[in-house]
Amino acid sequence: AQSVTQLDSQVPVFEEAPVELRCNYSSSVSVYLFWYVQYPNQGLQLLLKYLSGSTLVKGINGFEAEFNKSQTSFHLRKPSVHISDTAEYFCAVSEGGNKLVFGAGTILRVKS
Amino acid sequence: ETGVTQTPRHLVMGMTNKKSLKCEQHLGHNAMYWYKQSAKKPLELMFVYSLEERVENNSVPSRFSPECPNSSHLFLHLHTLQPEDSALYLCASSQVVGSSYEQYFGPGTRLTVT
Repeated sequence: AQSVTQLDSQVPVFEEAPVELRCNYSSSVSVYLFWYVQYPNQGLQLLLKYLSGSTLVKGINGFEAEFNKSQTSFHLRKPSVHISDTAEYFCAVSEGGNKLVFGAGTILRVKS
Repeated sequence: ETGVTQTPRHLVMGMTNKKSLKCEQHLGHNAMYWYKQSAKKPLELMFVYSLEERVENNSVPSRFSPECPNSSHLFLHLHTLQPEDSALYLCASSQVVGSSYEQYFGPGTRLTVT
C-alpha cells in the first residue's frame, strides 16, 4: 500500500532564505507525485506534479521539486521565500486512478 | 463560477440537526470526492464517486450520507452528528482516465457541531 511521510511538521525560515520541505513515499509500483499548498481558511491548491520524464519539476510561485526514485523522495524547494509563502504544504502520491494518499502536512512559517 | 465551489463556507449545527453540504465542479471532470480535514490529523478520504457511482467508502459512519446526482454536483447529508465531527470538509474533483490524476479542491466547509 502507498504511504507518504513528511518528515517535518513545522519549518520556520526567515524571509529571502532558501527552504526545503521533505517528502518520502512508499509504493510497490510507479507513482505520480504532487505537492499541494493550503493557505488559512482555504482548500488545497496544486503547486506542482511529477508524472514522468524530467525528475526536476517546476511549479507555481517559484517552487520546484525533485523526484528521486532510488531514495523514494520528492522534496520541495524554493531558493528565496516570501512572507506570503506561509502556509501548510502537503505531499501526495497516486498509483493512478481515483486514489490520492496525502502526507500529514508541513507548516511553513516565514519570518521577517 | 470557476473551479470547485462549496456551500456553505461555515456551518454550526446541533447534534440533532439535519443539514447538507453542497459541492459543484465547473471543470468537466467525472470524479468527485469528499475529504475530512481535522486539526493535527492527515487528510481523510471519505467518499469517491467516479462516473456518478460510488466507488469508495472508507468506513465512514452512517450519519454521513453522500449523494451524487450528476457529474457536476456532490452533496454530503449530515444527521445526528457528534462533536468530534467538527472539521473542515473538502470537496475535490478530477478527470479519471486519460489524465494526470491530480485533484482540484474547493475552499471547504468549516463545520462546528455543538
